[in-house]
Amino acid sequence: DAKTTQPPSMDCAEGRAANLPCNHSTISGNEYVYWYRQIHSQGPQYIIHGLKNNETNEMASLIITEDRKSSTLILPHATLRDTAVYYCIVRVGKETSGSRLTFGEGTQLTVNP
Amino acid sequence: GAVVSQHPSRVICKSGTSVKIECRSLDFQATTMFWYRQFPKKSLMLMATSNEGSKATYEQGVEKDKFLINHASLTLSTLTVTSAHPEDSSFYICSALGLAGGSATYNEQFFGPGTRLTVL
Repeated sequence: DAKTTQPPSMDCAEGRAANLPCNHSTISGNEYVYWYRQIHSQGPQYIIHGLKNNETNEMASLIITEDRKSSTLILPHATLRDTAVYYCIVRVGKETSGSRLTFGEGTQLTVNP
Repeated sequence: GAVVSQHPSRVICKSGTSVKIECRSLDFQATTMFWYRQFPKKSLMLMATSNEGSKATYEQGVEKDKFLINHASLTLSTLTVTSAHPEDSSFYICSALGLAGGSATYNEQFFGPGTRLTVL
């Protein structure tokens, strides 16, 4: 799976948009971009994933650049409960049974009141 | 849907004893489950992949005789830390592979809440 690079930490004001970047310059054509987050002392939570088109769900939006070498996770209106470590993961396929997730160091997002 | 539970949530044990951690998929069947370990301020590290009815596949550097994995049913996998030592103190997280998506379903990992193990 391709390696990803994320800033170690970011701050955001409550109510503002949080934009979390991820570089994955060695991504292959069949690799998807996944985002998970982990609130302190809890298990990871799936947020969103995409291949090349921008995606949006009730939690966040995912913007993938045209060359697919980077992406941005957007939390449109951050709340204090969004404070967590956010992991950007690139992996092969979404239908592969038993596909592994390789977690990097992630970005610690702190939402401030 | 797609809820995964772990039991216990916290456990404290003495050095040399064995500890069993359960991972259950509550509303779906999971032929594959994963076990991760996470040290403080570190990322999750995959320990092993557990497949129902067969032997687990361990990652390099993980002792299979120390971390016993049993996946006897489609909703339950257990991790037993044998002869635990203080360096085994960690946050253990499991995930179960299930179906996600709406019109286009796909396999996805759903994570449990984790088990905090402290070995004295």
